[in-house]
Amino acid sequence: NAGVTQTPKFRILKIGQSMTLQCTQDMNHNYMYWYRQDPGMGLKLIYYSVGAGITDKGEVPNGYNVSRSTTEDFPLRLELAAPSQTSVYFCASSYGGGRPQETQYFGPGTRLLVL
Amino acid sequence: AQTVTQSQPEMSVQEAETVTLSCTYDTSESDYYLFWYKQPPSRQMILVIRQEAYKQQNATENRFSVNFQKAAKSFSLKISDSQLGDAAMYFCAYTTQPGRRALTFGSGTRLQVQP
Repeated sequence: NAGVTQTPKFRILKIGQSMTLQCTQDMNHNYMYWYRQDPGMGLKLIYYSVGAGITDKGEVPNGYNVSRSTTEDFPLRLELAAPSQTSVYFCASSYGGGRPQETQYFGPGTRLLVL
Repeated sequence: AQTVTQSQPEMSVQEAETVTLSCTYDTSESDYYLFWYKQPPSRQMILVIRQEAYKQQNATENRFSVNFQKAAKSFSLKISDSQLGDAAMYFCAYTTQPGRRALTFGSGTRLQVQP
């Protein structure tokens, strides 16, 4: 049971390039999330999904896209990278069944630097 | 807007002493969950403790306990017998149910533990 895994761990991107951050969970969780953490700040929600085929925007979705074709995978796509997207990106998941299942489990994060 | 406020950007405690980290939140929902997450230099988000709003009893996990004041919308974390390994950023967060169940985070408190 690996929990939530993310790849890559670190990436340098040039302005205007695109990339996909991968996220996989093996806990059969329904809910998955993408957050970003800017230096010295808390995490902010980019996108989330309540199940395969269902996604919706969070507080800071501009410049990103997501898809959820399977329960396990929730990739985050960056199109036309900008310096403002330099951040640490966290994927998280939860069962979504209520009460103790509301705890979110986080991946190790992906550090992205856009130059 | 729903918010979480951590008014102490930095705190310091002597090893083996007790420290309390403050958190206030603002939500109009009646059913929600509160969390404290620890983020060491590795950046991994580690769940420290959780509290369900409908429970009046304060949660405890070994050396970690909370003081949950629902009417005041306050959720402080007490760390007893502080250890060097407790040094980290601590984030207060909550999620509501039903809904997207995403976490809303505070800006964090950096805890230093002095030997």
